[in-house]
Amino acid sequence: EVVLTQSPATLSLSPGERATLSCRASQSVSYQLVWYQQKPGQAPRLLIYDVSRRATGIPARFSGSGSGTDFTLTISSLEPEDFAVYYCQQRSDWMTFGQGTRLEIK
Amino acid sequence: EGQLVESGGGLVEPGGSLRLSCAASGFSFNDAWMAWVRQSLGKGLEWVGRIKTTGTTEYAAPVRGRFTISRDDSKDVLYLQMNSLQIGDTAVYYCVRSLCGVDCPGYNWFDPWGQGTLVTVSS
Repeated sequence: EVVLTQSPATLSLSPGERATLSCRASQSVSYQLVWYQQKPGQAPRLLIYDVSRRATGIPARFSGSGSGTDFTLTISSLEPEDFAVYYCQQRSDWMTFGQGTRLEIK
Repeated sequence: EGQLVESGGGLVEPGGSLRLSCAASGFSFNDAWMAWVRQSLGKGLEWVGRIKTTGTTEYAAPVRGRFTISRDDSKDVLYLQMNSLQIGDTAVYYCVRSLCGVDCPGYNWFDPWGQGTLVTVSS
């Protein structure tokens, strides 16, 4: 099973700042890495698939990068609605999720 | 982009059964691979299983032999029959559409997600 490790567990930033979230895979997942956002009481929402492809309606401030085992989700300038939990998921060897990074307001 | 609405969750004793339903709208359900993903405090997000347009199913190891996914394309409804439920099955269960890209058929990302339905297994 591919294990995804997200860091940090919690990230405290202010609106307007840049957020960088990391996801590391226990083995190469090539380009098959996905990101979701989850707000309290809601289902996860697809943000980015296959490393860097934004889903429909996702703002350009969200971007993804990486390959192989190391991936990054970047939010260029945080908006108030961006504070949430972010999960990565791999689809190279079945489908598994990371444990999440909580992005909180500083 | 589609909408998914789950129902059928609730409290069940260990060893019991429960059937979840998921009503789909806004996309061509009969052309879609569908899946269930669950979320618990202890295990986080976990893929449960999927069903292809052909009706072929695949399951995660923890539920294989106990859970069955089916679909009714005439009604645009997805089902999850859960038998021999265990305390560890306690979770919010999400219905999701499974997507893939140029590497189809293959493994998936998920969009959209239903709102989820809570299944609690407890005596």
